[in-house]
Amino acid sequence: GIQVEQSPPDLILQEGANSTLRCNFSDSVNNLQWFHQNPWGQLINLFYIPSGTKQNGRLSATTVATERYSLLYISSSQTTDSGVYFCAVVQGGKLIFGQGTELSVKP
Amino acid sequence: GAGVSQTPSNKVTEKGKYVELRCDPISGHTALYWYRQSLGQGPEFLIYFQGTGAADDSGLPNDRFFAVRPEGSVSTLKIQRTERGDSAVYLCASSVGQGSYGYTFGSGTRLTVV
Repeated sequence: GIQVEQSPPDLILQEGANSTLRCNFSDSVNNLQWFHQNPWGQLINLFYIPSGTKQNGRLSATTVATERYSLLYISSSQTTDSGVYFCAVVQGGKLIFGQGTELSVKP
Repeated sequence: GAGVSQTPSNKVTEKGKYVELRCDPISGHTALYWYRQSLGQGPEFLIYFQGTGAADDSGLPNDRFFAVRPEGSVSTLKIQRTERGDSAVYLCASSVGQGSYGYTFGSGTRLTVV
């Protein structure tokens, strides 16, 4: 089956810093979604981004489907950005998740 | 409803017992998905429904796991003869069609088998 790899696995930032999270996938996909899992376990939709670039406040995402990767940018990070960020690709009508990037933003 | 609702939020059961986990999807969402998440891992696919029928149950780990969606809305995940290894957070998601507009997840049920 398709492989979804995220990097880095862990990231520690000082508040105010910027970061880039990467998601590579091994096969062509129909769509891709980024999620933030908060400390209470809730998966929050960030972006639904099969291709191109989208921005929402301090967050933006870019997917280059032909090269099988997606990037999530976090600018001016805040402590509330802490948690695990998951990339998930759609194949065969279902989401396949990567292992996540655990982000910790220190005050 | 406004979001995907899962009940109970927490369930502690004894090894060997039977449990049922409920998912109430967003109104009008035809597709419903069950995932299982172990500590430190990404969610793993279990089964998905398109309407009342299971379109793909390839992720169910063994025949102790079963899920139904009899009226095409609420779904129940059933686990027989629970084992300690079944302990995890069980997540439900729903979408319009096959996810053309993204997937929305519930808050999950944390199952602990003691």
